[in-house]
Amino acid sequence: EDQVTQSPEALRLQEGESSSLNCSYTVSGLRGLFWYRQDPGKGPEFLFTLYSAGEEKEKERLKATLTKKESFLHITAPKPEDSATYLCAVQTPSGTYKYIFGTGTRLKVLA
Amino acid sequence: DTAVSQTPKYLVTQMGNDKSIKCEQNLGHDTMYWYKQDSKKFLKIMFSYNNKELIINETVPNRFSPKSPDKAHLNLHINSLELGDSAVYFCASSRSRDRGNGYTFGSGTRLTVV
Repeated sequence: EDQVTQSPEALRLQEGESSSLNCSYTVSGLRGLFWYRQDPGKGPEFLFTLYSAGEEKEKERLKATLTKKESFLHITAPKPEDSATYLCAVQTPSGTYKYIFGTGTRLKVLA
Repeated sequence: DTAVSQTPKYLVTQMGNDKSIKCEQNLGHDTMYWYKQDSKKFLKIMFSYNNKELIINETVPNRFSPKSPDKAHLNLHINSLELGDSAVYFCASSRSRDRGNGYTFGSGTRLTVV
């Protein structure tokens, strides 16, 4: 069965303290792995798409990487405004391009 | 100018009632979705329409019925509401030929059944 697992569930960092979030997946034929950010009371906001192992994408303090079994979202020198829930999703190879989401990592960055 | 707009934002209703949630997107996308987010923040696909055609219909009680009058609108009607239907419902859209840009989500409708 296709599955996506994110860890840790929650993470508290001091401002400037770099860390990584993990997304492990088991999918028969990955069509794409997506990272989203979700702020309280809002819908998820698209960050990155990764397609193949070895691929990397960067945006400001965020860098996403992909291997054959997992993806990491590295946060370098985070700021309080980076506090949010970060969601990972994989696109299955079915003809309908369905996403399977992980349960997210709640990140809190303290000033 | 909101890209994906859902109404209402909050909905409190009694068990047994029927309610609808509306969604509209002005991005020119051809695919729209309904997702349910439970109390543990888990997002699960319910339905998807591509150019008004139903393409994803997950295991959802048949009390839930989506309707897409055109490719810019996807509404969700729920009959005989139950306590377990309480959740946040998100509408999203995407362009089928450009899935690398992910989905654009609305801000959600928080449904509370009492």
